[in-house]
Amino acid sequence: DAKTTQPNSMESNEEEPVHLPCNHSTISGTDYIHWYRQLPSQGPEYVIHGLTSNVNNRMASLAIAEDRKSSTLILHRATLRDAAVYYCILRSANAGGTSYGKLTFGQGTILTVHP
Amino acid sequence: DTEVTQTPKHLVMGMTNKKSLKCEQHMGHRAMYWYKQKAKKPPELMFVYSYEKLSINESVPSRFSPECPNSSLLNLHLHALQPEDSALYLCASRAGGTRRGEQFFGPGTRLTVL
Repeated sequence: DAKTTQPNSMESNEEEPVHLPCNHSTISGTDYIHWYRQLPSQGPEYVIHGLTSNVNNRMASLAIAEDRKSSTLILHRATLRDAAVYYCILRSANAGGTSYGKLTFGQGTILTVHP
Repeated sequence: DTEVTQTPKHLVMGMTNKKSLKCEQHMGHRAMYWYKQKAKKPPELMFVYSYEKLSINESVPSRFSPECPNSSLLNLHLHALQPEDSALYLCASRAGGTRRGEQFFGPGTRLTVL
């Protein structure tokens, strides 16, 4: 499985934008870039995913570099409820389907949001 | 209903006990997963079921025995566990269609082995 590299921790102030980086230099052409977050004492929660183009949803935006070797999760206005561990994950979409959508989590980034 | 439920929320068991964890979803998802998460570590995949068939076993010890009785239900049977098996056990299911790839996670069962 291709690996991702994220900073161990980041801090932000409430109502400010947050840019969470992820490096994935060994990404293959069929790997989707997924972001999940895990709030304290909860299971992981899907945030967003993309393949090549930038993506937006109600939670966040995903900016993908042109060479796909890095991506950035953007929270437009951080709130205290966004404090969580954010995981950047590459999910294989191989044609044979033998990956069954498995997710291999890295260490993630602990995001602290200050009031 | 976009929820994955897990029972029990907490479980304490001795090394000679037999217990089971239960996971349920009613979203029509045909792929279901068990993950194990130790404290301050990321989740690690244990098993994947696809269309009620065991598709991936990530070399999990046989004291963990998964079962998928139907498309909505996933069990994890536990027997002769060790204290180092204490962890949060997470269940997930995967969407298809336009939300293909997104996994929905339950809140987990926190297991303590004495």
